Amino acid sequence: AQKITQTQPGMFVQEKEAVTLDCTYDTSDQSYGLFWYKQPSSGEMIFLIYQGSYDEQNATEGRYSLNFQKARKSANLVISASQLGDSAMYFCAMREFYNTDKLIFGTGTRLQVFP
Amino acid sequence: GAVVSQHPSRVICKSGTSVKIECRSLDFQATTMFWYRQFPKQSLMLMATSNEGSKATYEQGVEKDKFLINHASLTLSTLTVTSAHPEDSSFYICSAKGLGEETQYFGPGTRLLVL
Repeated sequence: AQKITQTQPGMFVQEKEAVTLDCTYDTSDQSYGLFWYKQPSSGEMIFLIYQGSYDEQNATEGRYSLNFQKARKSANLVISASQLGDSAMYFCAMREFYNTDKLIFGTGTRLQVFP
Repeated sequence: GAVVSQHPSRVICKSGTSVKIECRSLDFQATTMFWYRQFPKQSLMLMATSNEGSKATYEQGVEKDKFLINHASLTLSTLTVTSAHPEDSSFYICSAKGLGEETQYFGPGTRLLVL
């Protein structure tokens, strides 16, 4: 069964607007971590934000925030005030703590920011 | 902080030859390093996990004799693609994680083209 699901293959947003990228996950573990990475066309994977399953508050990092809804098993990324440089692929990933350090990635969402 | 380098960034080789890719953590000690493969427009697929000083753990379906991984120090891991064939052409990307850390930091990736 797919453990990380990103249902939006592509998203468009106008510059300066906010955008939400969806991510749902499936795990029977009580302890896990959720990550978002950005991959520009150059290929490198840039770490954006992390949310632990026991963290009570939603994680925030600058313009990035993670809308963590544990009961719904969702970990959506919110980008505020989009910039042209935000155009990239965005991957949601999960680490199950009972397992190794492995990350399981979703299929990604391509975000395009237009002027 | 948390910078990971990868070398080379691009390599073209003839079928049947071997190619070595280096992954270095520049400003932290990486107790665990990971090697991923990414096909165009697809997500990252974990190939193997390596801990410093021990044998790598390969994912199901990954040939350990073809993809040799060495993690001889806390800052360096190498992936050698032996007897490369055109179907091995792909984007290979490594990541590194420090002891007790949650986040994997990725290198910039290596594009391999086997002719």
